[in-house]
Amino acid sequence: GEDVEQSLFLSVREGDSSVINCTYTDSSSTYLYWYKQEPGAGLQLLTYIFSNMDMKQDQRLTVLLNKKDKHLSLRIADTQTGDSAIYFCAVSTSGTYKYIFGTGTRLKVLA
Amino acid sequence: GAGVSQSPSNKVTEKGKDVELRCDPISGHTALYWYRQSLGQGLEFLIYFQGNSAPDKSGLPSDRFSAERTGGSVSTLTIQRTQQEDSAVYLCASSFNGGGADEQFFGPGTRLTVL
Repeated sequence: GEDVEQSLFLSVREGDSSVINCTYTDSSSTYLYWYKQEPGAGLQLLTYIFSNMDMKQDQRLTVLLNKKDKHLSLRIADTQTGDSAIYFCAVSTSGTYKYIFGTGTRLKVLA
Repeated sequence: GAGVSQSPSNKVTEKGKDVELRCDPISGHTALYWYRQSLGQGLEFLIYFQGNSAPDKSGLPSDRFSAERTGGSVSTLTIQRTQQEDSAVYLCASSFNGGGADEQFFGPGTRLTVL
């Protein structure tokens, strides 16, 4: 079945860039998402990319997609302590309703 | 309300008891999802509703789990004869029509602890 994998932890210093990686198995994935979960809260959509795009930039966030390797990354520039959270990668396919979520990467930002 | 709400926010129960978890989706959203989030694991899909019907119940872990949705709005997830392995955060999400490009809006979750 479809699978989405992420590393569990990432620690960076305030002001540095963070790069969170995700790999997926379903090559028919059409929409790829990054969600952020702060402590005690639900998930909030950060950004998304369509499978026909290689890159999307949104303020401090840059999403890179390598379809050949089925690899998605989220870069956060000038990481702040408020960016500390769990980041989930998710994929879905056109014509379906189902999202497949990764395990989440816990980002810790050190002051 | 403006967002997805869930109640209770926390539930502690004894093994063997039944529990009901409630989700109020965003008004007008036809699609509703339940997920389970266990420590160190991703979001495990449980069930999907389109309107009041559930075309996909494949994620329900056992026949102790059931869910319903009434009036195309509120949904209840029921766990009968709870077990310790049911302890997790149960998240509800809704989206406008359930398509793959649809953003899912999540509630804050219900943290269930089974003693």
